[in-house]
Amino acid sequence: EDQVTQSPEALRLQEGESSSLNCSYTVSGLRGLFWYRQDPGKGPEFLFTLYSAGEEKEKERLKATLTKKESFLHITAPKPEDSATYLCVDRGSTLGRLYFGRGTQLTVWP
Amino acid sequence: DVKVTQSSRYLVKRTGEKVFLECVQDMDHENMFWYRQDPGLGLRLIYFSYDVKMKEKGDIPEGYSVSREKKERFSLILESASTNQTSMYLCASSLPAGQGSPLHFGNGTRLTVT
Repeated sequence: EDQVTQSPEALRLQEGESSSLNCSYTVSGLRGLFWYRQDPGKGPEFLFTLYSAGEEKEKERLKATLTKKESFLHITAPKPEDSATYLCVDRGSTLGRLYFGRGTQLTVWP
Repeated sequence: DVKVTQSSRYLVKRTGEKVFLECVQDMDHENMFWYRQDPGLGLRLIYFSYDVKMKEKGDIPEGYSVSREKKERFSLILESASTNQTSMYLCASSLPAGQGSPLHFGNGTRLTVT
């Protein structure tokens, strides 16, 4: 069964403590692996698209990487404002079908 | 930047009412989607549309219908609202999947059915 699994479900970091979030996917025919940030009560905000193994994208303290089975979102020296839920999404190859992970809830405390 | 606008941030309706949730996007995207998001269940696809007047059922279409009369607008209709439809509703749009386009989401409508 096609699915996307994120780990850990929740992560608490002290400000400045770098870490990584994991997303593993089994969906065949990858048409794009997306990372989103979602703040409470708001819609997901698009961060990155990754298409092929070995690809990397960066934005401020965030860096996303992709292998054939996994993607990682690395957070370097996080700040409290990075606290949010981070979602991993696989576009898949079926019309209209995207596969969402359940998200990692990140809390960064001062 | 892509902008997806949902007409209401918060909505309170009574059981049995007909409810309309409106969504407009300004980037001429072919695809539009309606999801609901519930704690512990993640995002679940209700309906999507890949062209004007075209629609496809998602994973949980029961109790819902949609309308897409114009490319930029996609409406979700709750024919007779029930308490189990209390949820956060998210609209999204994208280019066709073949172009690997990400979804762009609106800020959601928090619907409470009492």
